Amino acid sequence: EVQVLESGGGLVQPGGSLRLSCAASGFTLSTYAMGWVRQAPGKGLEWVSGINGPTTYYADSVKGRFTISRDNSKNTLFLQMNSLRVEDTALYYCAKYVTEGTALESWGQGTLVTVSS
Amino acid sequence: QSALTQPASVSGSPGQSITISCTGTSSDVGAYNYVSWYQQHPGKAPKLLIYDVTNRPSGVSNRFSGSKSGNTASLTISGLRAEDEADYYCSSFTASNTRVFGGGTKVTVL
Repeated sequence: EVQVLESGGGLVQPGGSLRLSCAASGFTLSTYAMGWVRQAPGKGLEWVSGINGPTTYYADSVKGRFTISRDNSKNTLFLQMNSLRVEDTALYYCAKYVTEGTALESWGQGTLVTVSS
Repeated sequence: QSALTQPASVSGSPGQSITISCTGTSSDVGAYNYVSWYQQHPGKAPKLLIYDVTNRPSGVSNRFSGSKSGNTASLTISGLRAEDEADYYCSSFTASNTRVFGGGTKVTVL
């Protein structure tokens, strides 16, 4: 069964850093495009970042502050978040793209990031 | 990248059909056949309903169907059921090789 499990969320002060992890099981993470999507409390979904092979992609709102990467030996995806802002507060979902790389088919339950002083 | 435009809410009675629109631009919805739709129940993770405009993943009911015309994509739910009450989001690939979501539509079953 395909599963992804996020971890690493927590409370951090503005300007701080956090690294989110997404452990994949039931599939080989390196052979699929993966992405991060966030949802601020009571708000809609916002695409944050994606990785397909060696290529990475970012929303303008996080470009230059967030870095997506993966450790194929651990079948784990990461999101390094630096210079965090209050508006980055959200539930962060990790998800696996469909084979075609065009839609997110397998989602985790999310990890909550709260940026507050 | 601006969010795609969806109606805030749509409602219907059990058994009816409803359609949710998703309007983008010629740089996203209008340019690519990479529109997807997601269903999200309260407190739950999103679930993929439709990808590449019209394709349903295995296990998704055929009561859900997608289409596109120009810069506007649509999701139709036929034979509306109580369990269809949820938030629905569209998403599209964009010219900058990113993805963008719509603001979401709350579906109420009367």
